[in-house]
Amino acid sequence: DVKVTQSSRYLVKRTGEKVFLECVQDMDHENMFWYRQDPGLGLRLIYFSYDVKMKEKGDIPEGYSVSREKKERFSLILESASTNQTSMYLCAARGTEAFFGQGTRLTVV
Amino acid sequence: QKEVEQDPGPLSVPEGAIVSLNCTYSNSAFQYFMWYRQYSRKGPELLMYTYSSGNKEDGRFTAQVDKSSKYISLFIRDSQPSDSATYLCAMLETSYDKVIFGPGTSLSVIP
Repeated sequence: DVKVTQSSRYLVKRTGEKVFLECVQDMDHENMFWYRQDPGLGLRLIYFSYDVKMKEKGDIPEGYSVSREKKERFSLILESASTNQTSMYLCAARGTEAFFGQGTRLTVV
Repeated sequence: QKEVEQDPGPLSVPEGAIVSLNCTYSNSAFQYFMWYRQYSRKGPELLMYTYSSGNKEDGRFTAQVDKSSKYISLFIRDSQPSDSATYLCAMLETSYDKVIFGPGTSLSVIP
């Protein structure tokens, strides 16, 4: 079974903190993605990566950065967390079809 | 016009009913089509994947693609309460290489 694992299911962070969300896949896929999902807004693409050390901005990259040092690991970084970044964050890895992690529900207080 | 449109529901049906979930799209370059099921507070789970017009069946689930009408459907036969979830359609244009998701349809199957 394919596996995408996100490091945390639930996180609570304070405004201004630097936050790291980690994602690991065991499928040897080159393509990895970070989305956030909010009620009424659906899935919105933050960043994606086609290869190690490569990154591309998605539709809503402001306030986020990413790191892909190894093929299997794709990290999302919130440089200075704000309350409007409270959301469900989903990592995905893709060949043709995309497989998702279980999600991280982040609350910024 | 959004690239992918999907009725958000909520859709409520009695157990055993046939459910039809639909998406329309505007980009004729989409070549791959997927359906995901997402339970509350969980990540989306891939249900069906197809790249051609026509039907693809997997157990109680049938995915249908009509590229000429830019319309895809997911049918669920003999629906069960465990099918209660949000269903997202997704599409991929190979040259563009990004997956575009519909907003999801919330389904409740009432025992």
